Amino acid sequence: EAEVAQSPRYKITEKSQAVAFWCDPISGHATLYWYRQILGQGPELLVQFQDESVVDDSQLPKDRFSAERLKGVDSTLKIQPAELGDSAMYLCASSLVLAGTEQFFGPGTRLTVL
Amino acid sequence: AQSVAQPEDQVNVAEGNPLTVKCTYSVSGNPYLFWYVQYPNRGLQFLLKYITGDNLVKGSYGFEAEFNKSQTSFHLKKPSALVSDSALYFCAVRDGVYTDKLIFGTGTRLQVFP
Repeated sequence: EAEVAQSPRYKITEKSQAVAFWCDPISGHATLYWYRQILGQGPELLVQFQDESVVDDSQLPKDRFSAERLKGVDSTLKIQPAELGDSAMYLCASSLVLAGTEQFFGPGTRLTVL
Repeated sequence: AQSVAQPEDQVNVAEGNPLTVKCTYSVSGNPYLFWYVQYPNRGLQFLLKYITGDNLVKGSYGFEAEFNKSQTSFHLKKPSALVSDSALYFCAVRDGVYTDKLIFGTGTRLQVFP
């Protein structure tokens, strides 16, 4: 069964350092999402791509976060500089372009900022 | 704005007994509702969704959910709980008609004891 791939699974960094997360969606899925899940809470959307274009980045802290999906397939989420409050699980998901279809999630990257 | 509420932080049930995990929603227009499950240090797994049609939706692993428009609820149910069902369950709603963005609840931890 096709899955969303993410790496790394775990990342420990010091504040003010740069970190990057990678996501490879299910083949054929045009829509890709990055979510942040703080411990004890539900995921919150950071950015949504349709192919290589950003559809929604209203909740992305653009002063320190950036995301790209250059060829409309895999994607990278970057944080620079990392802050203590960025410690969370970062989840990538993908879906078919049709509205109402379910999103398929990857295993996530757990970030700890010291 | 669309929202979902999961009023119980934790639900405890004995193995073999029926289980219910509650979710209520607030939307303008017709709701697109989803249930996901999350195991420790893992991404979310899709269980089921309601778009339209029958109010009783059947999903993966024997779960089902009942859509109740008058009570604005979408409770997750299973006739006979298994210890392996112990996990974190999230209800989610699509954030509007022209978006695939999901708004998640805060999650309910289900504990099934032998």
